[in-house]
Amino acid sequence: DAGVTQSPTHLIKTRGQQVTLRCSPKSGHDTVSWYQQALGQGPQFIFQYYEEEERQRGNFPDRFSGHQFPNYSSELNVNALLLGDSALYLCASSLPYEYEQFFGPGTRLTVL
Amino acid sequence: GENVEQHPSTLSVQEGDSAVIKCTYSDSASNYFPWYKQELGKRPQLIIDIRSNVGEKKDQRIAVTLNKTAKHFSLHITETQPEDSAVYFCAAQRGSQAGTALIFGKGTTLSVSS
Repeated sequence: DAGVTQSPTHLIKTRGQQVTLRCSPKSGHDTVSWYQQALGQGPQFIFQYYEEEERQRGNFPDRFSGHQFPNYSSELNVNALLLGDSALYLCASSLPYEYEQFFGPGTRLTVL
Repeated sequence: GENVEQHPSTLSVQEGDSAVIKCTYSDSASNYFPWYKQELGKRPQLIIDIRSNVGEKKDQRIAVTLNKTAKHFSLHITETQPEDSAVYFCAAQRGSQAGTALIFGKGTTLSVSS
């Protein structure tokens, strides 16, 4: 049973560029949440997708957008990258209306 | 907005000692409180969680206590081992609906020396 997977593992971009990160949820899970973890900090909630719609959103600007596909996989898009967007981006999946969230290994984004 | 505060930020203990990490939360509607362990360069792993309908939960050397009135919860690790060394995060669910956003504390770096 595959756990949550994310791609790519690492990514280097320059300011102003756009980036797309991908997540495949744990088998049977249809709810995907995205978190940003800056160095030395706890994960911060970006948004959550369920049934291909954004169900909840954290305090992140519109530069952060997402999408969920019919197979429940998800993408996180960040436009107009800033140096402060450098972080580990974590995806977590869960069953609908279940409490436990399972995290993927993350994508390390570096913005130069 | 919702907030979770975690203390201490670093904790150093000798092997075999106990370790306690404390968190407070602000959202009165929160009813789910997980604890995650994150080793360097790895994903957060759930180690124990507690729902608001219980005051304490134990799993071998790990226990969590919850005081809903005071809005704080704690992680207790007994008989610590070097492999317990990691960053520990507490979290509180936003609101009362299952599966919604987790609000994390800033983490506690636990070092267990042998």
